Amino acid sequence: GAGVSQSPSNKVTEKGKDVELRCDPISGHTALYWYRQSLGQGLEFLIYFQGNSAPDKSGLPSDRFSAERTGGSVSTLTIQRTQQEDSAVYLCASSLVQAPYNEQFFGPGTRLTVL
Amino acid sequence: SQQGEEDPQALSIQEGENATMNCSYKTSINNLQWYRQNSGRGLVHLILIRSNEREKHSGRLRVTLDTSKKSSSLLITASRAADTASYFCATGDVKGAQKLVFGQGTRLTINP
Repeated sequence: GAGVSQSPSNKVTEKGKDVELRCDPISGHTALYWYRQSLGQGLEFLIYFQGNSAPDKSGLPSDRFSAERTGGSVSTLTIQRTQQEDSAVYLCASSLVQAPYNEQFFGPGTRLTVL
Repeated sequence: SQQGEEDPQALSIQEGENATMNCSYKTSINNLQWYRQNSGRGLVHLILIRSNEREKHSGRLRVTLDTSKKSSSLLITASRAADTASYFCATGDVKGAQKLVFGQGTRLTINP
């Protein structure tokens, strides 16, 4: 089947506006992750969903960031009142949580630019 | 904060040469994985090595793991221009195997 998809691929917004980023995981993958990658840097973990369990939100940088996963499938990452430092590539990944050693499958990312 | 630290941060070699990248980490792990990223977009899984393994091969890739030194290395043999990419190590903590912690990456450039 198809891999992980993300939309939009690019988003340019003005400081102070809200943005929504979407992730469609691989069908049947019960674990879903959001990461942020600033230019030339590694991946910064944001949030992790596993089945119906409470999400691990330990990586969210501020209360302006939130995410939800509806029906155990599609996920939306929302950034409110965007700031210039939010500019980055936002990557989504999914995996089979049943595997104790999980390979994560990544989407192509959304490049967010806050002017 | 990032647990994994790759070394070197950047590496440039001639096509056909071997490339070695290193990764160090701090906590106890149950697995370590290497990923490749082209053009700053999605990552591709390359290889996974479990904490009870010392070496693993996949095609031109060889990964070693030394849990006593909390370090791993990725060797790419007979490099090709298409290997040009950023390479990241990621560790799975013993407490939360599903959550990976990524390093800062090594930028590898293969010169034709």
